[in-house]
Amino acid sequence: KNEVEQSPQNLTAQEGEFITINCSYSVGISALHWLQQHPGGGIVSLFMLSSGKKKHGRLIATINIQEKHSSLHITASHPRDSAVYICAVKAYTDKLIFGTGTRLQVFP
Amino acid sequence: DVKVTQSSRYLVKRTGEKVFLECVQDMDHENMFWYRQDPGLGLRLIYFSYDVKMKEKGDIPEGYSVSREKKERFSLILESASTNQTSMYLCASSQPQFYGYTFGSGTRLTVV
Repeated sequence: KNEVEQSPQNLTAQEGEFITINCSYSVGISALHWLQQHPGGGIVSLFMLSSGKKKHGRLIATINIQEKHSSLHITASHPRDSAVYICAVKAYTDKLIFGTGTRLQVFP
Repeated sequence: DVKVTQSSRYLVKRTGEKVFLECVQDMDHENMFWYRQDPGLGLRLIYFSYDVKMKEKGDIPEGYSVSREKKERFSLILESASTNQTSMYLCASSQPQFYGYTFGSGTRLTVV
C-alpha cells in the first residue's frame, strides 16, 4: 500500500463545476504539498499546508492532521485547470513522498 | 524569478550510451533531488544531495549515479542507458528545515 493515496485517479468535469481531489496518507508528516503539473512536465507548487486551510484564487486546500487527510478544491473550474494534481507529504526528513496524481480534464 | 533549470526538455539516446542530465538552481539551496516519473507510479526519488559532494540514495538508485561538485549544479548520470530508463526526469531543490520545493521543467528521456 502506498504511503500517499490520491483519489480519484482521473476526473472529468464541465466548465464551472466544483471539483474535489482527495489525499490520504499513512505516515507522520511535517507538511503536505499540493502540486500542479501541466502537459510538458513542469511542476508548480500550489500549496504547502501543515494545518487548517489555505485559499488562493479559485483553489482551496484543507488538511485534517488527525484523520491524515487533505483535499484540494477548485471552484468554478475552467479548461485551463486541466492538469495533473499531485499530493506530496514531507515526513520528518527533507524528502517528499508523492501520490500518483489525479488527472483532471475540464471541458468547455 | 528563482528557478531550477534542466538542460534538456527532450533527449533521445541509444542503449549503452552514457547519459548526463544536468540541473542548475539559482536559489543557493542546500538540497537537490532527482526523481523519475512513470505513469501509474508517480514520482520516485533516485538520489538526493544535501551538500556539495554529499549524496544519498533514494528509492530507485540502481543504474544511476550523481555528481555535485558545485552547490548550484546536480548531475544525474546513466552509466549505460537501457530502455527501461525511458522516463520523465525531474530535478528539484529545497532548503533544509524549510518546506518549499522548486521543480525544474523536466527532461523526457527516450532510450532506443
